[in-house]
Amino acid sequence: QKEVEQNSGPLSVPEGAIASLNCTYSDRVSQSFFWYRQYSGKSPELIMSIYSNGDKEDGRFTAQLNKASQYVSLLIRDSQPSDSATYLCAVISGNNRLAFGKGNQVVVIP
Amino acid sequence: NAGVTQTPKFQVLKTGQSMTLQCAQDMNHNSMYWYRQDPGMGLRLIYYSASEGTTDKGEVPNGYNVSRLNKREFSLRLESAAPSQTSVYFCASNHSPGITNEKLFFGSGTQLSVL
Repeated sequence: QKEVEQNSGPLSVPEGAIASLNCTYSDRVSQSFFWYRQYSGKSPELIMSIYSNGDKEDGRFTAQLNKASQYVSLLIRDSQPSDSATYLCAVISGNNRLAFGKGNQVVVIP
Repeated sequence: NAGVTQTPKFQVLKTGQSMTLQCAQDMNHNSMYWYRQDPGMGLRLIYYSASEGTTDKGEVPNGYNVSRLNKREFSLRLESAAPSQTSVYFCASNHSPGITNEKLFFGSGTQLSVL
């Protein structure tokens, strides 16, 4: 099992809709979780971090963490064409390693 | 403020050639990292340096060497390039020594093709 899994394929959402991305992780003692956004041909940039169970909101982005089920999700409300990018989930595992998932591509259709 | 600067942006090598990817940061960060990104594989850590004078292997170190020349600079060397090393390489840095909750600042990447 990979440390961080993002399995869903490209996600197409109409402008104004909610985009929902999921990520699961294998190390039960992981404590720190991140979402990076990467535009095509560009470098990743951090958009959200979450450390406690529950929801964390920042503007149109909400990160959700459920440690018991070992998943973290990202919701993008009122999706805009500028949200079209690949979103990378990253986790600091119990052995103090930062592992990235392979990413999920989001396409917002005007 | 340039942040993290990588050179070159693009490079084509023949199998067996060597080259060094350069990375420099001007944010007085302690930790620096080299990642590779392949389609369907995500970002994988090659080597990192938690502080000046120290380097450690990451997830995929084989075929690479690194040098933390000073606090600003962290280079990645391919001694004998192989087609399997065709990838996009990213350098990154953050302030605290070692793996922390701090965000990573990434360079713009190097697209490397090995023929």
